[in-house]
Amino acid sequence: RKEVEQDPGPFNVPEGATVAFNCTYSNSASQSFFWYRQDCRKEPKLLMSVYSSGNEDGRFTAQLNRASQYISLLIRDSKLSDSATYLCVVNRGGGGKLIFGQGTELSVKP
Amino acid sequence: NAGVTQTPKFQVLKTGQSMTLQCAQDMNHEYMSWYRQDPGMGLRLIHYSVGAGITDQGEVPNGYNVSRSTTEDFPLRLLSAAPSQTSVYFCASSYPLGQGGAEAFFGQGTRLTVV
Repeated sequence: RKEVEQDPGPFNVPEGATVAFNCTYSNSASQSFFWYRQDCRKEPKLLMSVYSSGNEDGRFTAQLNRASQYISLLIRDSKLSDSATYLCVVNRGGGGKLIFGQGTELSVKP
Repeated sequence: NAGVTQTPKFQVLKTGQSMTLQCAQDMNHEYMSWYRQDPGMGLRLIHYSVGAGITDQGEVPNGYNVSRSTTEDFPLRLLSAAPSQTSVYFCASSYPLGQGGAEAFFGQGTRLTVV
């Protein structure tokens, strides 16, 4: 079993839709959590960090449930430009040692 | 702002050849790491470093060596290339982001093919 697992993709949604991605992690010692975005095999870029209290950045909302070891990302009012692969990422503790999920591909259609 | 610079961007090697992938960052980040990305596998950690002179293995270290003589540079050496090492390689650097976390900045990647 992979240490970080994500919903299988791809997700194909129309513009304006709300889409949710889920992620689970197996190592309870994990300390920090992130969502990264990757376009067409380019380098991953940080979308947002994820905190236990939940956090929102415009149309994006991230949630963390430490008890269930579960992370989510909600995208509201999807845009064509949201089409990308979304990577769930966990840091086990300092050192920049990030563990990535396999990614979920999102395709937003007109 | 250069950020994280990887060279080369593309490389074709013959089985058994050796080469070094270069990675340099100008953000004075303590942490640097190398990942490989294969279809359907996400990014897997090869080696990482928490500072000059300190390196450690990640998930898939076999066939690769690293060293960190300066804060800025973290080269990845393939000792004897194999077709299984055909992949896209990303270098990343990061700084601590509270609570033990570290936001990572990635280079543009090196697409390596071993024939």
